[in-house]
Formats: sequence, C-alpha cells, structure tokens
Amino acid sequence: QSALTQPPSASGSPGQSVTISCTATSGDFLVYNYVSWYQQHPGKAPKLMISEVNKRPSGVPDRFSGSKSGNTASLTVSGLQAEDEADYFCSSYGGVYNVLFGGGTKLTVL
Amino acid sequence: EVQLLESGGGLIQPGGSLRLSCAASGFTFGSYAMSWVRQSPGKGLEWVSSISGSGDQRFYTDSVKGRFTIFRDNSKTTLYLQMNSLKAEDTAVYHCAKGWVYGALFDYWGQGTLITVSS
Repeated sequence: QSALTQPPSASGSPGQSVTISCTATSGDFLVYNYVSWYQQHPGKAPKLMISEVNKRPSGVPDRFSGSKSGNTASLTVSGLQAEDEADYFCSSYGGVYNVLFGGGTKLTVL
Repeated sequence: EVQLLESGGGLIQPGGSLRLSCAASGFTFGSYAMSWVRQSPGKGLEWVSSISGSGDQRFYTDSVKGRFTIFRDNSKTTLYLQMNSLKAEDTAVYHCAKGWVYGALFDYWGQGTLITVSS
C-alpha cells in the first residue's frame, strides 16, 4: 500500500534552518508536481504553506520553501522562529482521484 | 476572509448515521470544489471525499464508498457529508476544506468537528 513517510519529529534553534522530508513508498505519489505542505498548531485548522511543490500562497513567509527530488519532497524552514513550532503534513496527488497525506512531523523550536 | 465552520459531530453507535455540515463564507462558494478530510490520532490526515463546484462530480476514498455521500447547497453556501453505517474506524475529527481532489490542493480548512463511533 502506498504511503508518504515523514520523520515523526524535527527540531532546531531559533534562526537555524530545518528540513522535513516526505518520501513516497510506492505508486504514483510524488510523480506529479502536486505536493502540498500544511502547518497545524494544536487545536487549530491546518494551514496551507506550500502548493505544487514550491509555490507559497500569499501571506506565507518566504522562510518557508519546498522542493522535490525523485520520490522525496522536502519542506525547509529557514530562520526558525518560535511560532514555527507546529505539526507539518505533506500531501500528494497520486492520480485516479486519489490523495495521500504524510503522517506528520512535529517541529520543535528549541 | 474565508471561513469554514463545521457542525454535526458527536457520539454515535456503530451502524448509526450522522450528517455533517460546513457553513462557508468569504468566497464565491459555488465556484469552488469542496472536500472533507478527516484526522485521527492513529491514522493522521485522510482525504475522505470531494465535490465539484456545481455538485455534478463526486469522489470518495475507497473505505467510505457506498456509506458516505457528499453534497452541497450553493444557495446556502453549505457543504454536507451524510455518513451511514458508521464504523469505529470512522472516529476522527472531520475537517471541511476548500479544494479539489485533483491536485490535492486544499487552501482553506475549518477547525473540524469530532465524530466518535462507539457503543
């Protein structure tokens, strides 16, 4: 069964950069350039941070960037700030009207 | 400002039915596809269903096909999810999201409503 695998946790100190990976185990996920990243603070709704691999919606700081290589997509947060501490989820379109989400990564700002 | 407000959640016995609603505002509702995405501690985020802006196209994840029905009332700017034959594994927070399954892009989400299926 296809899955998007993320590390359960990541951390960094204020001002540092951290990269979160999202790896497709099989299938057509990550073949398309339809990869999104979402930020979720506890008890809040998910917020779109990156779409189509590397596009930032209006209002998202340029400290957030996305990329993809082969079957792995990545989210990089540069210049870490305290408010960046949250859960981050990747998602990908896999064709045939199918969507997968990664299991989520808890980002801790030390 | 886009706002999505879900309602209708609660505790329901296995085999029961429930209807969720999502009241939308801040955008031209009928021009956009809408979706339901659920979130549970054990399974994370899971796309459930999407409906086109006009309502003529609907898609479901395999585990809910035949049990859940997504529909919308564009005059009331409201999205719905009719859930029948509920199972324990349907227990989750159900989020309404603006967006379409093709491209897997959901640009606004509601906070969600909790469904607990238990006897």
